[in-house]
Amino acid sequence: QVQLQESGPGLVKPSETLSLTCVVSDFSIISSYYWAWVRQSPGKGLEWIGSIFHSGYTYYNPSLKSRVTVSVDTSKNRFSLSVTSVTAADTAVYYCARALSSLVAGRRDYYFDLWGRGTRVTVSS
Amino acid sequence: QSVLTQPPSVSGTPGQRVTISCSGSSSNIGSNSVNWYRQLPGTAPKLLIYTNNKRTSGVPDRFSGSKSGTSASLAISGLQSDDEADYYCAAWDDSLNGGVFGGGTKLTVL
Repeated sequence: QVQLQESGPGLVKPSETLSLTCVVSDFSIISSYYWAWVRQSPGKGLEWIGSIFHSGYTYYNPSLKSRVTVSVDTSKNRFSLSVTSVTAADTAVYYCARALSSLVAGRRDYYFDLWGRGTRVTVSS
Repeated sequence: QSVLTQPPSVSGTPGQRVTISCSGSSSNIGSNSVNWYRQLPGTAPKLLIYTNNKRTSGVPDRFSGSKSGTSASLAISGLQSDDEADYYCAAWDDSLNGGVFGGGTKLTVL
């Protein structure tokens, strides 16, 4: 059964770097899918952070782009997220997800068909 | 402030039909497909509807999605108590060159 599992520190100090990893099980990261990060601040909605293809091609949320890096390690079948200079506003549950992106008749279809369980990250001193 | 606009809450009684609206713009819903996710408390979101109106495997036909212009809707008929959840719409935005979500709608079954 295909599974995504996030891991990383649950507590990060302000101004430091948040680093998370998502391991993909029973499915090759080298596929036609993108691999994405989505976060959810306490009591709030979902926010797309960014996506990566196994080739290393990335898309980022413009509002986070200056602080975010998504990378992929195909040898370990995993991908990672790095957020620099974190503040309390980065406190959230971070989800990794598998994303399908296709272009049909000029219309893009982009959705997350599989999600990890999420990992809670708190930014606090 | 989310790029896509949803009502914060909707409610209905068992057996009733409810709809959740999702309003966007020409750069997202107007140009691309809409997807819907359901999230139960303390759990990860799950894909419910994709490509405007296609149900994910296992989703009953009580759930249906539609799109017109720059708006989309999720309809749930024959409302059941376990339909209580948060529902999110989402789409690709050509101007932002990324994915965008609605703010989410909490469905309460009275």
